[in-house]
Amino acid sequence: DVKVTQSSRYLVKRTGEKVFLECVQDMDHENMFWYRQDPGLGLRLIYFSYDVKMKEKGDIPEGYSVSREKKERFSLILESASTNQTSMYLCASRVGGELMNTEAFFGQGTRLTVV
Amino acid sequence: AQTVTQSQPEMSVQEAETVTLSCTYDTSESDYYLFWYKQPPSRQMILVIRQEAYKQQNATENRFSVNFQKAAKSFSLKISDSQLGDAAMYFCAYRSMNRDDKIIFGKGTRLHILP
Repeated sequence: DVKVTQSSRYLVKRTGEKVFLECVQDMDHENMFWYRQDPGLGLRLIYFSYDVKMKEKGDIPEGYSVSREKKERFSLILESASTNQTSMYLCASRVGGELMNTEAFFGQGTRLTVV
Repeated sequence: AQTVTQSQPEMSVQEAETVTLSCTYDTSESDYYLFWYKQPPSRQMILVIRQEAYKQQNATENRFSVNFQKAAKSFSLKISDSQLGDAAMYFCAYRSMNRDDKIIFGKGTRLHILP
């Protein structure tokens, strides 16, 4: 089975802190994604990566950055956490390339609270 | 840009009954993929069903089936013989046939199963 693992299930950070959310997948997937989930807003894409060291902005990249130094790991970075970044963060991965009808596999989510 | 709309924020259905969740989308592309994902209280997103736009036949997976109306840009999910374990958030999602494109989600429908 595909496994996408997020480093923390719950996280509490202080305003202004630099926050790292880590995501690791074990299926050699090319594509990885970070979404933010808020009630009434669904899933909104923050960043995605289709290969090592490659990244593209999603719909709401402001206040976030990402790093993909190795294929299996995709990190989301909050440079200076703010209370409006309190949310559920979901990481996902999928096979890239020619297998285009494959679905994305998700991690269990990190609920981040910024106080 | 593509958009996905789920017009029902919440729905309820009696156990063993049938329920239909609505999804519409907007795109100028002729070929794409559509998905329904389920997110139970455990937060783990899992794929329920997928549909390739070039296939006229509606996808079916056990008690789950879709009604795909390409001209109307509609992609509804029908759950037959509803079970308590079907209670979850359901997200409709769209992905272009571009090689490594992002996945766009609707805002979700919370489904309650009444015993």
